[in-house]
Amino acid sequence: GAVVSQHPSWVICKSGTSVKIECRSLDFQATTMFWYRQFPKQSLMLMATSNEGSKATYEQGVEKDKFLINHASLTLSTLTVTSAHPEDSSFYICSAPDQMETQYFGPGTRLLVL
Amino acid sequence: KQEVTQIPAALSVPEGENLVLNCSFTDSAIYNLQWFRQDPGKGLTSLLLIQSSQREQTSGRLNASLDKSSGRSTLYIAASQPGDSATYLCAVNYNNDMRFGAGTRLTVKP
Repeated sequence: GAVVSQHPSWVICKSGTSVKIECRSLDFQATTMFWYRQFPKQSLMLMATSNEGSKATYEQGVEKDKFLINHASLTLSTLTVTSAHPEDSSFYICSAPDQMETQYFGPGTRLLVL
Repeated sequence: KQEVTQIPAALSVPEGENLVLNCSFTDSAIYNLQWFRQDPGKGLTSLLLIQSSQREQTSGRLNASLDKSSGRSTLYIAASQPGDSATYLCAVNYNNDMRFGAGTRLTVKP
């Protein structure tokens, strides 16, 4: 079946630095990808919809200048957490639908900001 | 291997029926379990979250149960409506290592 990869799987960084997370669809093209975030003991929540060749659509309450999304190609979307702070520590996961609208999820990226 | 299975893959019911969607998982050492709804072209919408210590959660016409020992969760939808038509996904969280089921595509006919 289709595969979505994420890199890195986990990252530890200092407060104030920026962190880039990649989401790739390995054997299919995705014009749309989704980014989610989950805090401990809370639901996975949609952050934004990444659109190839155009601006991402952010959910209410998600700062677009804080979480930069670039959908540079039909197989790659990146999420950059800018000037990360400890409250940004979370589990980030992406998904991509294939042409049949079946969603495939990446394995997730655990971010810890010190 | 941690696998999540959803049955049935597709379900079509007339409006007003009560229905049950099933989710089973092979590893019972879960952190929590979530049910999501997905509409075509949209991201997931969280419906219910059940922590590993809980047995059920309710929200409106939705009720989700969790039986860790048998590796099962069910999503019960009461008095179904055409607006409930969507794909329903369950996701098992193994401490931030999530496993998703393939989903159940629900159609509620007027």
